[in-house]
Amino acid sequence: TQLLEQSPQFLSIQEGENLTVYCNSSSVFSSLQWYRQEPGEGPVLLVTVVTGGEVKKLKRLTFQFGDARKDSSLHITAAQPGDTGLYLCAGARNTGFQKLVFGTGTRLLVSP
Amino acid sequence: SAVISQKPSRDICQRGTSLTIQCQVDSQVTMMFWYRQQPGQSLTLIATANQGSEATYESGFVIDKFPISRPNLTFSTLTVSNMSPEDSSIYLCSVEPGGVYNEQFFGPGTRLTVL
Repeated sequence: TQLLEQSPQFLSIQEGENLTVYCNSSSVFSSLQWYRQEPGEGPVLLVTVVTGGEVKKLKRLTFQFGDARKDSSLHITAAQPGDTGLYLCAGARNTGFQKLVFGTGTRLLVSP
Repeated sequence: SAVISQKPSRDICQRGTSLTIQCQVDSQVTMMFWYRQQPGQSLTLIATANQGSEATYESGFVIDKFPISRPNLTFSTLTVSNMSPEDSSIYLCSVEPGGVYNEQFFGPGTRLTVL
């Protein structure tokens, strides 16, 4: 059972467009992370959000954690070809050493 | 953070053989994880490997098929045994250095093709 559903599954846009990726669950998470993975590489951590309603910005990327800590979103402004990759959200149910629950993934293709 | 390397980066193997994948970390870490990933898709956790204890396998994965070693705090191996074409996938190791929020750092992956 996949506890974290991402939408859309695939997104193909032109350079300069804006986009939002959603990560939804019926479960509460103590923290949620976003990773980006490029072909031939492992996922790279972009951000961790831990407080309900929290908003974090990383240059053109804006991450939000839902008030109830069950969902999150990633908004990219003025997408660039370098943003192309697989975006994964991942949640931790508790604090302390534990495995993560990974989302279903969103493949983003930004064309010049 | 942590820097993780994996060997081999890719391999093509014959059905019925076994392949051992190595994962080396540049610092001591308690928890290491092994994942499987089909290209363009999400990650599936195979097992959690803690030094000094038996690996904990997820549902659908068994030790006879995917034996794991964790001899020290910087190294682990995953063996894919008696391979079939269905084992063709990307295998990734990751570590959790021990921050509060369970952040993981990944190796570059091993792309396995079984003929």
